[in-house]
Amino acid sequence: NAGVTQTPKFQVLKTGQSMTLQCAQDMNHNSMYWYRQDPGMGLRLIYYSASEGTTDKGEVPNGYNVSRLNKREFSLRLESAAPSQTSVYFCASSEALLAGGPSTDTQYFGPGTRLTVL
Amino acid sequence: AQSVTQLGSHVSVSEGALVLLRCNYSSSVPPYLFWYVQYPNQGLQLLLKYTSAATLVKGINGFEAEFKKSETSFHLTKPSAHMSDAAEYFCAVSSYSTLTFGKGTMLLVSP
Repeated sequence: NAGVTQTPKFQVLKTGQSMTLQCAQDMNHNSMYWYRQDPGMGLRLIYYSASEGTTDKGEVPNGYNVSRLNKREFSLRLESAAPSQTSVYFCASSEALLAGGPSTDTQYFGPGTRLTVL
Repeated sequence: AQSVTQLGSHVSVSEGALVLLRCNYSSSVPPYLFWYVQYPNQGLQLLLKYTSAATLVKGINGFEAEFKKSETSFHLTKPSAHMSDAAEYFCAVSSYSTLTFGKGTMLLVSP
């Protein structure tokens, strides 16, 4: 099992350019997540997908869109990149269907995409 | 609402010394709590989690944490630090479907 894979590993964009970050998991997990990590800020949730066919906003969704293409894949799109979106982006997945209450589910993380917007 | 506060952005210890990383949480419902570790240039991986089965939770690599409801704390400890423990550690809380992470504590281990 590869676990959670992300492409690309590194990317440099100019302000205003668009790009899609790809994420796939081979663990047959139901839920998937996109986070951004900035120095001193921890991880902040951008969007998540509680099950195939659903997506919801997290803490910092502005400037991003997501697509849950199928059960395995969850992509993150920047339509018009801004320097404030320079960050490391992590995709994660977990087994359970999210039902609204507290979850004990372990999240499994990909290796990350380091994005720089000039 | 849910939130996590990790006291100290950096903690330095000598090899063989006790490791103590502090985490306090805020939650409007009984929470589940997690510690994740991030080694350089890698994603996060689970160290341990509190799921209400027992207040003292043992994890991988000799780490453990104790849930104290009266203090709203979930501090991470290890009796004897190894050089390989140098990493960033994140406490996280789940009161609702998703996790809220603390800002992280970088553990530095010197020989």
